[in-house]
Amino acid sequence: RKEVEQDPGPFNVPEGATVAFNCTYSNSASQSFFWYRQDCRKEPKLLMSVYSSGNEDGRFTAQLNRASQYISLLIRDSKLSDSATYLCVVNRPSNYQLIWGAGTKLIIKP
Amino acid sequence: DADVTQTPRNRITKTGKRIMLECSQTKGHDRMYWYRQDPGLGLRLIYYSFDVKDINKGEISDGYSVSRQAQAKFSLSLESAIPNQTALYFCATSGGRVGRDYGYTFGSGTRLTVV
Repeated sequence: RKEVEQDPGPFNVPEGATVAFNCTYSNSASQSFFWYRQDCRKEPKLLMSVYSSGNEDGRFTAQLNRASQYISLLIRDSKLSDSATYLCVVNRPSNYQLIWGAGTKLIIKP
Repeated sequence: DADVTQTPRNRITKTGKRIMLECSQTKGHDRMYWYRQDPGLGLRLIYYSFDVKDINKGEISDGYSVSRQAQAKFSLSLESAIPNQTALYFCATSGGRVGRDYGYTFGSGTRLTVV
């Protein structure tokens, strides 16, 4: 089992819709969780950290489910500019490294 | 100027050649990282450095070496490039604190092709 797994997609979603995707992780001791956004051929950029109580930033909501070991990202009122690949990132406590998922590709259609 | 600058942006090199990728940062971060990204795979860590005197191998260090010349500079070398090292390479920095500031800042990447 991979340490961090994501559905590669693509998710094809009409503009204005709500879309959600999950990421599962294997190490129950992981404490730090993040969502990054990566545009084609560009560098990843931090979208948001994921806190135990869940957190929201504008149209984006991140949730953590420790019992089932997954994090989720919800995007409301999707915009064309939300089209990107979303990377799930989880820390590996044993060596302080971050483990990166392969990403979920999101395409917002007009 | 970008917070993290990588040079070159693109490079084509021949098998067996030595090549160096350079990274410099103005974030003032102690921690620096080199990753490679291949299609369909997550970012994989090649080397990381928590300060100038601390260099550590990541999960895929074979065939690579690094040098931390200063807090702000971290270079990656391919001693004898081979075609399966064709990839997109990213340098990143972090402040190292758990929580919101734990996020990484990436350079724009170096697209390396080994022919």
